[in-house]
Amino acid sequence: GIQVEQSPPDLILQEGANSTLRCNFSDSVNNLQWFHQNPWGQLINLFYIPSGTKQNGRLSATTVATERYSLLYISSSQTTDSGVYFCAVEGPPTGANSKLTFGKGITLSVRP
Amino acid sequence: KAGVTQTPRYLIKTRGQQVTLSCSPISGHRSVSWYQQTPGQGLQFLFEYFSETQRNKGNFPGRFSGRQFSNSRSEMNVSTLELGDSALYLCASSPRTGGYGYTFGSGTRLTVV
Repeated sequence: GIQVEQSPPDLILQEGANSTLRCNFSDSVNNLQWFHQNPWGQLINLFYIPSGTKQNGRLSATTVATERYSLLYISSSQTTDSGVYFCAVEGPPTGANSKLTFGKGITLSVRP
Repeated sequence: KAGVTQTPRYLIKTRGQQVTLSCSPISGHRSVSWYQQTPGQGLQFLFEYFSETQRNKGNFPGRFSGRQFSNSRSEMNVSTLELGDSALYLCASSPRTGGYGYTFGSGTRLTVV
C-alpha cells in the first residue's frame, strides 16, 4: 500500500517563528489532507490539498503531486499551534482506495 | 451545520466483553469511515461504509465489525475485547466515497481492563 513519511518527527519553536512541515508519499493520490490533532484527540482538518497551494490565515500548504510531496507552512507560530500534525493521503486513484493512510505525525511544541 | 458526532466519548470495558460505538455523520454525507489510533500503531483504517454497504476494510480481525443505517449513521462493534483494543476510535464522514475530504468526529476513547 501507499507509504506516508512525515518530517521532522519533532519540532520545537519559539513563539513568533516560522516552520515548514513535510510529507512525502509513495504513489499518486486523489486526496491529501493535513490535520491538527487537538489535546482531546479530535483531528481538525487544516487543508484538503491533493495538488496546488492554499492559504488560511497563518497557515498555508503546497502539494506537488508529480514529485509526491506536500509542505505545511506555519508562520508567526503561537503556543496554540502546539500539538500533532498529521498528513493523510488517499490513493492511488484507481482501485478501491476509499481510505486515508496517515503518516506518523509531527509533534510541534511552541514555547512562549 | 452540525459536525460528526460520536458517542460515547469515553468507555471502560472488561476483557471479553463487547462494545458498540456510534457515529452520526454530517447531514448529507453518505460515507462513514472508522479509524483506530494507538500509541504504537498510529492511525489505522478499520472500514468504510457508503449507502449501507461496506466499501473497504482494513487489516483487522473479524472481532471488529460495523454497519451503516439508512440515515447514514454508523455503528462499530468489537466483540471479545482484548487489552490491545484500548484505543481512540475516530469516525470520519465524507459526501461520497473516495477522493473527497474527510471530516472527523471527536472520537471515543475505549479502555479495556
